[in-house]
Amino acid sequence: AQSVTQLGSHVSVSEGALVLLRCNYSSSVPPYLFWYVQYPNQGLQLLLKYTTGATLVKGINGFEAEFKKSETSFHLTKPSAHMSDAAEYFCAVRGSGGGADGLTFGKGTHLIIQP
Amino acid sequence: NAGVTQTPKFQVLKTGQSMTLQCAQDMNHNSMYWYRQDPGMGLRLIYYSASEGTTDKGEVPNGYNVSRLNKREFSLRLESAAPSQTSVYFCASSAREWDNQPQHFGDGTRLSIL
Repeated sequence: AQSVTQLGSHVSVSEGALVLLRCNYSSSVPPYLFWYVQYPNQGLQLLLKYTTGATLVKGINGFEAEFKKSETSFHLTKPSAHMSDAAEYFCAVRGSGGGADGLTFGKGTHLIIQP
Repeated sequence: NAGVTQTPKFQVLKTGQSMTLQCAQDMNHNSMYWYRQDPGMGLRLIYYSASEGTTDKGEVPNGYNVSRLNKREFSLRLESAAPSQTSVYFCASSAREWDNQPQHFGDGTRLSIL
């Protein structure tokens, strides 16, 4: 069975500081991993994904994530936080049915940016 | 670009009433999904349709039914609404079932059951 654990339901950083959002996963198949962002009263927008190949993945808005198989982790980082980064972030892993059977999401991390 | 469109955006129901949430995508995607989002729970899969003509249960299917009307449309029905079904419902779609394509989400339907 698939599962995703996001450490920290709320993370607060100062504007300009490093952003680190943690995600650990469990998967019965080779994992495809995703980070989504959700702004208030909106749907989810894809930030980045890892499927195969390079383990350091770059996404939109300056975010990147590194797939570490030995640690079963896929942490999201951004070197310098901006006020517009304040949102809810979700890590997700594909289902065991080849991807058509949906995603398993973590519970989300609310990112707060302090001025 | 419309992407994934959900209607209605907001709805208030009384316990026991029924309603159908509509979802349509214009990206020619094969797979469609319904999730619910509850505070502190992330998104949980209710039902999915890997391709036109097929539907399958997800993690939390009880109390719901779905219809894949055609390739574009995937509806979610609550036959007898319960307060526990108060949630935000998201529809999503993705290109191909055997590929690593990400899911594209609608803006959600906020449903309150009194």
